[in-house]
Amino acid sequence: DAGVIQSPRHEVTEMGQEVTLRCKPISGHDYLFWYRQTMMRGLELLIYFNNNVPIDDSGMPEDRFSAKMPNASFSTLKIQPSEPRDSAVYFCASRDTAYEQYFGPGTRLTVT
Amino acid sequence: GQQLNQSPQSMFIQEGEDVSMNCTSSSIFNTWLWYKQDPGEGPVLLIALYKAGELTSNGRLTAQFGITRKDSFLNISASIPSDVGIYFCAGPHRRFQKLVFGTGTRLLVSP
Repeated sequence: DAGVIQSPRHEVTEMGQEVTLRCKPISGHDYLFWYRQTMMRGLELLIYFNNNVPIDDSGMPEDRFSAKMPNASFSTLKIQPSEPRDSAVYFCASRDTAYEQYFGPGTRLTVT
Repeated sequence: GQQLNQSPQSMFIQEGEDVSMNCTSSSIFNTWLWYKQDPGEGPVLLIALYKAGELTSNGRLTAQFGITRKDSFLNISASIPSDVGIYFCAGPHRRFQKLVFGTGTRLLVSP
């Protein structure tokens, strides 16, 4: 298996622009997680899905953030409008029935 | 809430030295996971522990599930430069199907 795939790997955008991050989980995994990592706050869980349904979005910072999972093999995290404080590395991870999560390589977002 | 505290926060060692780090909590965990994050990459699962007292190895890495279920330990023997990175412990949240992560131990290895 190719592992969790994320795109783009790097994104540089201007404040106010819409940003869409993409994730393809490992085939057969029915849980998908979105994380954000910064030096100040460490690794934070934003939202997770089970069987394409959002289960816990308590980590989503504000209404500017939204996430969807239209099918078992694709998820998006959207920020609209983006702000400089959204600059971070965003990770997607997936798992099956066991607790072990497998992470993608991340998307490094810079908002200027 | 459930929190995982890792120590030390960072370590700077010489190549060839052994390394020990730990993860503690005030709550009981039934599973412990150890991840390593290389610079610029996502965390990679190293070892998973499922039973109190369990000792599991993965090459030069050995991890233990503490008897009290409130701690876990990771040892690296004969460190090499590619061991550089951040090591995270993690355990399942009490109520939800998500993980609680420790604050991480940053390891630097001098050749």
